[in-house]
Amino acid sequence: DQQVKQNSPSLSVQEGRISILNCDYTNSMFDYFLWYKKYPAEGPTFLISISSIKDKNEDGRFTVFLNKSAKHLSLHIVPSQPGDSAVYFCAASTIPNYGGSQGNLIFGKGTKLSVKP
Amino acid sequence: DGGITQSPKYLFRKEGQNVTLSCEQNLNHDAMYWYRQDPGQGLRLIYYSQIVNDFQKGDIAEGYSVSREKKESFPLTVTSAQKNPTAFYLCASSSGTAGSPLHFGNGTRLTVT
Repeated sequence: DQQVKQNSPSLSVQEGRISILNCDYTNSMFDYFLWYKKYPAEGPTFLISISSIKDKNEDGRFTVFLNKSAKHLSLHIVPSQPGDSAVYFCAASTIPNYGGSQGNLIFGKGTKLSVKP
Repeated sequence: DGGITQSPKYLFRKEGQNVTLSCEQNLNHDAMYWYRQDPGQGLRLIYYSQIVNDFQKGDIAEGYSVSREKKESFPLTVTSAQKNPTAFYLCASSSGTAGSPLHFGNGTRLTVT
């Protein structure tokens, strides 16, 4: 049973427009959410995170929104650039079990974003 | 320039052979992890270690073994007991403090025939 779901395997967006990547989760104990970006044949790189005490976190062109009642989070990229083309993973963790490590970080299956020039 | 080094990038083995994947970090991180990625799948946790000489099983530990004799190193052995060893293996580390993100290596693609 998937606890973190990214229901769109792929997304195609025109350069300069907004990219919205969605993620749903089922475990109400999740308290901390992260987005990672991954290029082919490379390891994922951390992009942005949000804790459950917030509903929005912004870092440059990247904004993550959290809707706890709907158990939904989204990553907005504005404006989208061709270099943003990658697979984006949503991940979640329960802070009480977190214990300072991310051993229980649960990843979604990823969404492949293609930004067309 | 700190980071995580996984070697080799590509590895080929015959079925029935054990193989060890290397992971070294110079970030002075306490915690280290091994994940496996299969096509169309998310990352699944194999093993993790929060401190030297200690490690815990993740969600898919069967057929794998690890050691953590040094802070910098966390090698993963894929044994012949692992039913589907062909996959992309990712090593990661973190400082271990709450909220600190994982830093990943560039992975090792293991192919077993």
